[in-house]
Amino acid sequence: GIQVEQSPPDLILQEGANSTLRCNFSDSVNNLQWFHQNPWGQLINLFYIPSGTKQNGRLSATTVATERYSLLYISSSQTTDSGVYFCAVESNDYKLSFGAGTTVTVRA
Amino acid sequence: DTAVSQTPKYLVTQMGNDKSIKCEQNLGHDTMYWYKQDSKKFLKIMFSYNNKELIINETVPNRFSPKSPDKAHLNLHINSLELGDSAVYFCASSQGPSGGANRQFFGPGTRLTVL
Repeated sequence: GIQVEQSPPDLILQEGANSTLRCNFSDSVNNLQWFHQNPWGQLINLFYIPSGTKQNGRLSATTVATERYSLLYISSSQTTDSGVYFCAVESNDYKLSFGAGTTVTVRA
Repeated sequence: DTAVSQTPKYLVTQMGNDKSIKCEQNLGHDTMYWYKQDSKKFLKIMFSYNNKELIINETVPNRFSPKSPDKAHLNLHINSLELGDSAVYFCASSQGPSGGANRQFFGPGTRLTVL
């Protein structure tokens, strides 16, 4: 099956800092999504982004499908951005395969 | 106004018991899923139904059985619970099973603890 690698595994930020999370995948995909799991366990869908760039407030994402990676940018981080960020991809088999996640801690 | 809801939120039970988790979505989606999240937060697909038809059936013990009475509901029944079944179980839904229709929205999760 398709392999999904996320880096870094952990990230500690000071409030107001910017950061970039990376997702590499091993095969071509027709679906890539970013999720945020907050400290209470809720999984929120941030982006559906199989290619190109999207922005949603302080978050933006870019996927370069031909090079098999996606980046999630967090700007002016806030404590509410803390949690685990997951990248998930689908490669023509209906199954969404998740990476191991990046745990982000934003300190006030 | 909850889009994807699950009941119960917490489930504590003894080994060997049988239990069910229920999921409902009010998004009008055709496809629903069950995921298991282990203690290291790894998320793995278990089952998926599209229009009440099973389309994903991953290698899980046959003690786990999904049931979809209609497009808005997907339940998970677990027989003869074991310690290793302790995890958080998430339900999700999407408009369709693949590509652009497969943008998934998750329920709040059910934390199952087997003693």
